[in-house]
Amino acid sequence: QLVLTQSPSASASLGASVKLACTLSNGHSSYAIAWHQQQPEKGPRYLMKLYSDGSHSKGDGIPDRFSGSSSGAERYLTISSLQSEDEADYYCQAWGAGIRVFGGGTKLTVL
Amino acid sequence: EVQLVESGGGLVQPGRSLRLSCSASGFTFGDYTMSWVRQAPGKGLEWVGFIRSKPYGGTTEYAASVEGRFTISRDDSKSIAYLQVNSLKTEDTAVYYCTREVVGAGDYWGQGTLVTVSS
Repeated sequence: QLVLTQSPSASASLGASVKLACTLSNGHSSYAIAWHQQQPEKGPRYLMKLYSDGSHSKGDGIPDRFSGSSSGAERYLTISSLQSEDEADYYCQAWGAGIRVFGGGTKLTVL
Repeated sequence: EVQLVESGGGLVQPGRSLRLSCSASGFTFGDYTMSWVRQAPGKGLEWVGFIRSKPYGGTTEYAASVEGRFTISRDDSKSIAYLQVNSLKTEDTAVYYCTREVVGAGDYWGQGTLVTVSS
Protein backbone atom coordinates (compact mmCIF):
# COMPACT_ATOMS: atom_id res chain seq x y z
CA GLN A 1 0.00 0.00 0.00
CA LEU A 2 1.32 3.38 -1.04
CA VAL A 3 1.72 5.61 2.01
CA LEU A 4 3.59 8.89 2.49
CA THR A 5 4.85 9.92 5.92
CA GLN A 6 5.67 13.50 6.90
CA SER A 7 6.59 15.07 10.23
CA PRO A 8 3.65 17.18 11.48
CA SER A 9 5.71 20.28 12.15
CA ALA A 10 9.01 22.03 11.50
CA SER A 11 10.46 25.41 12.30
CA ALA A 12 13.38 27.53 11.19
CA SER A 13 14.50 31.13 11.46
CA LEU A 14 13.96 33.90 8.97
CA GLY A 15 16.77 33.83 6.39
CA ALA A 16 17.85 30.29 7.30
CA SER A 17 17.27 27.04 5.39
CA VAL A 18 14.99 24.14 6.19
CA LYS A 19 14.75 20.62 4.78
CA LEU A 20 11.37 18.88 4.91
CA ALA A 21 11.12 15.12 4.47
CA CYS A 22 8.57 12.79 2.92
CA THR A 23 9.05 9.03 3.29
CA LEU A 24 7.64 6.53 0.82
CA SER A 25 6.32 3.22 2.15
CA ASN A 26 8.13 -0.09 1.66
CA GLY A 27 8.28 -1.22 -1.93
CA HIS A 28 7.71 2.27 -3.30
CA SER A 29 11.15 3.80 -2.99
CA SER A 30 11.45 4.37 -6.77
CA TYR A 31 8.29 6.50 -6.95
CA ALA A 32 8.30 10.14 -7.91
CA ILE A 33 6.38 12.59 -5.78
CA ALA A 34 5.09 16.14 -5.98
CA TRP A 35 5.39 18.88 -3.37
CA HIS A 36 2.56 21.34 -2.79
CA GLN A 37 2.46 24.43 -0.58
CA GLN A 38 -0.63 25.72 1.18
CA GLN A 39 -0.35 29.16 2.78
CA PRO A 40 -2.85 30.04 5.52
CA GLU A 41 -6.41 30.47 4.26
CA LYS A 42 -5.37 29.76 0.66
CA GLY A 43 -5.67 26.90 -1.79
CA PRO A 44 -2.67 24.66 -2.44
CA ARG A 45 0.01 25.58 -4.96
CA TYR A 46 2.13 23.10 -6.88
CA LEU A 47 5.85 23.49 -6.18
CA MET A 48 7.61 20.70 -8.02
CA LYS A 49 7.74 17.13 -9.13
CA LEU A 50 10.67 15.19 -7.61
CA TYR A 51 12.08 11.94 -8.98
CA SER A 52 14.03 9.15 -7.33
CA ASP A 53 17.28 10.30 -8.92
CA GLY A 54 16.85 13.75 -7.35
CA SER A 55 15.92 15.52 -10.55
CA HIS A 56 12.96 17.82 -10.27
CA SER A 57 10.75 20.04 -12.37
CA LYS A 58 9.29 23.13 -10.73
CA GLY A 59 5.99 24.83 -11.32
CA ASP A 60 5.58 28.18 -12.97
CA GLY A 61 7.00 31.04 -10.94
CA ILE A 62 8.46 28.92 -8.14
CA PRO A 63 11.58 30.69 -6.83
CA ASP A 64 15.04 29.14 -6.97
CA ARG A 65 14.97 29.08 -3.14
CA PHE A 66 12.88 25.93 -3.43
CA SER A 67 14.72 22.75 -4.39
CA GLY A 68 14.28 19.02 -4.06
CA SER A 69 16.49 16.00 -3.47
CA SER A 70 16.08 12.25 -2.96
CA SER A 71 17.78 9.49 -1.02
CA GLY A 72 16.32 5.98 -1.10
CA ALA A 73 12.70 6.22 0.00
CA GLU A 74 13.14 9.79 1.24
CA ARG A 75 12.09 12.81 -0.75
CA TYR A 76 13.16 16.21 0.48
CA LEU A 77 12.07 19.78 -0.04
CA THR A 78 14.69 22.38 0.87
CA ILE A 79 13.74 26.01 1.25
CA SER A 80 16.65 28.42 1.55
CA SER A 81 16.71 32.08 2.60
CA LEU A 82 13.42 31.59 4.43
CA GLN A 83 10.90 34.36 4.14
CA SER A 84 7.81 35.03 6.21
CA GLU A 85 5.54 33.98 3.34
CA ASP A 86 7.10 30.51 3.40
CA GLU A 87 5.21 29.84 6.61
CA ALA A 88 2.71 27.31 5.31
CA ASP A 89 1.68 23.67 5.20
CA TYR A 90 3.68 21.51 2.83
CA TYR A 91 2.23 18.31 1.37
CA CYS A 92 3.90 15.59 -0.60
CA GLN A 93 1.86 13.54 -3.04
CA ALA A 94 2.50 10.32 -4.94
CA TRP A 95 0.58 8.45 -7.58
CA GLY A 96 0.01 5.02 -9.03
CA ALA A 97 -2.01 3.70 -11.98
CA GLY A 98 -5.38 4.49 -10.45
CA ILE A 99 -4.60 6.16 -7.19
CA ARG A 100 -3.29 9.40 -5.75
CA VAL A 101 -1.98 9.68 -2.19
CA PHE A 102 -1.12 12.67 -0.02
CA GLY A 103 1.12 12.77 2.99
CA GLY A 104 -0.29 14.22 6.19
CA GLY A 105 1.49 17.52 5.67
CA THR A 106 4.19 19.44 7.55
CA LYS A 107 3.35 22.77 9.14
CA LEU A 108 6.37 25.05 8.73
CA THR A 109 6.79 27.90 11.18
CA VAL A 110 9.22 30.69 10.30
CA LEU A 111 10.64 32.13 13.52
CA GLU B 1 -2.95 31.98 -17.87
CA VAL B 2 -4.29 28.72 -16.49
CA GLN B 3 -7.34 29.22 -14.29
CA LEU B 4 -9.57 26.76 -12.47
CA VAL B 5 -12.71 28.01 -10.77
CA GLU B 6 -14.84 25.73 -8.61
CA SER B 7 -18.48 26.43 -7.85
CA GLY B 8 -21.60 24.72 -6.56
CA GLY B 9 -20.74 24.31 -2.91
CA GLY B 10 -23.05 25.25 -0.07
CA LEU B 11 -24.98 24.02 2.94
CA VAL B 12 -26.78 20.73 2.35
CA GLN B 13 -28.58 18.25 4.59
CA PRO B 14 -27.26 14.73 5.15
CA GLY B 15 -28.44 12.31 2.50
CA ARG B 16 -28.88 14.99 -0.15
CA SER B 17 -26.90 15.56 -3.33
CA LEU B 18 -24.86 18.35 -4.88
CA ARG B 19 -23.04 18.90 -8.15
CA LEU B 20 -19.77 20.79 -8.08
CA SER B 21 -18.30 22.37 -11.19
CA CYS B 22 -14.74 23.23 -12.16
CA SER B 23 -14.52 25.75 -14.99
CA ALA B 24 -11.16 25.81 -16.74
CA SER B 25 -9.48 28.33 -18.99
CA GLY B 26 -6.04 29.12 -20.37
CA PHE B 27 -5.25 25.62 -21.69
CA THR B 28 -6.66 22.90 -23.94
CA PHE B 29 -8.96 21.29 -21.39
CA GLY B 30 -9.55 18.11 -23.36
CA ASP B 31 -5.85 17.19 -23.26
CA TYR B 32 -5.68 16.82 -19.48
CA THR B 33 -6.70 14.51 -16.68
CA MET B 34 -8.71 16.46 -14.08
CA SER B 35 -8.67 15.55 -10.43
CA TRP B 36 -10.69 16.46 -7.33
CA VAL B 37 -9.14 16.82 -3.87
CA ARG B 38 -10.89 17.77 -0.64
CA GLN B 39 -9.84 19.19 2.70
CA ALA B 40 -11.96 18.83 5.81
CA PRO B 41 -11.79 21.75 8.28
CA GLY B 42 -8.39 21.78 9.99
CA LYS B 43 -7.29 18.60 8.22
CA GLY B 44 -4.93 17.64 5.39
CA LEU B 45 -5.53 17.06 1.73
CA GLU B 46 -7.47 13.97 0.63
CA TRP B 47 -7.63 12.77 -2.95
CA VAL B 48 -11.21 12.16 -4.11
CA GLY B 49 -10.88 10.98 -7.70
CA PHE B 50 -9.94 11.85 -11.26
CA ILE B 51 -11.13 11.59 -14.83
CA ARG B 52 -8.74 10.85 -17.64
CA SER B 53 -8.74 12.77 -20.88
CA LYS B 54 -10.68 11.27 -23.80
CA PRO B 55 -7.49 10.11 -25.61
CA TYR B 56 -6.87 7.98 -22.52
CA GLY B 57 -10.40 6.66 -22.41
CA GLY B 58 -12.09 9.34 -20.32
CA THR B 59 -12.31 6.82 -17.49
CA THR B 60 -12.55 7.59 -13.81
CA GLU B 61 -10.91 6.43 -10.58
CA TYR B 62 -12.07 7.13 -7.03
CA ALA B 63 -10.84 6.95 -3.47
CA ALA B 64 -12.36 4.09 -1.51
CA SER B 65 -14.01 6.56 0.87
CA VAL B 66 -16.23 7.98 -1.89
CA GLU B 67 -16.53 5.08 -4.37
CA GLY B 68 -20.17 4.53 -5.28
CA ARG B 69 -21.38 7.88 -3.96
CA PHE B 70 -19.31 10.36 -5.99
CA THR B 71 -19.16 10.60 -9.79
CA ILE B 72 -16.76 12.67 -11.87
CA SER B 73 -17.62 13.70 -15.42
CA ARG B 74 -16.40 16.22 -17.94
CA ASP B 75 -17.70 18.36 -20.77
CA ASP B 76 -14.74 19.15 -22.99
CA SER B 77 -16.84 21.44 -25.21
CA LYS B 78 -17.42 23.71 -22.20
CA SER B 79 -14.06 23.07 -20.45
CA ILE B 80 -15.84 22.00 -17.27
CA ALA B 81 -15.26 19.09 -14.92
CA TYR B 82 -18.02 18.00 -12.57
CA LEU B 83 -18.16 16.21 -9.25
CA GLN B 84 -21.57 14.77 -8.43
CA VAL B 85 -21.78 14.03 -4.72
CA ASN B 86 -24.67 11.86 -3.53
CA SER B 87 -25.84 10.54 -0.18
CA LEU B 88 -23.83 13.20 1.58
CA LYS B 89 -22.57 12.54 5.09
CA THR B 90 -21.41 14.99 7.72
CA GLU B 91 -17.86 13.74 7.19
CA ASP B 92 -18.02 14.96 3.58
CA THR B 93 -17.88 18.53 4.91
CA ALA B 94 -14.79 20.00 3.27
CA VAL B 95 -13.39 22.46 0.78
CA TYR B 96 -13.34 20.73 -2.61
CA TYR B 97 -10.55 21.62 -5.04
CA CYS B 98 -10.09 20.67 -8.65
CA THR B 99 -6.66 20.30 -10.17
CA ARG B 100 -5.22 19.91 -13.63
CA GLU B 101 -2.97 16.88 -13.67
CA VAL B 102 0.28 16.25 -15.49
CA VAL B 103 1.55 12.68 -15.04
CA GLY B 104 -0.14 11.99 -11.74
CA ALA B 105 0.11 15.31 -9.94
CA GLY B 106 -1.86 18.51 -10.08
CA ASP B 107 0.16 21.40 -11.45
CA TYR B 108 -2.63 23.95 -11.11
CA TRP B 109 -5.26 24.19 -8.40
CA GLY B 110 -8.51 26.07 -8.10
CA GLN B 111 -9.44 28.19 -5.09
CA GLY B 112 -11.91 25.60 -3.82
CA THR B 113 -15.61 25.48 -2.98
CA LEU B 114 -16.92 24.74 0.51
CA VAL B 115 -19.45 21.98 1.06
CA THR B 116 -21.06 21.88 4.49
CA VAL B 117 -23.21 18.88 5.33
CA SER B 118 -25.43 19.56 8.31
CA SER B 119 -29.04 19.23 9.39
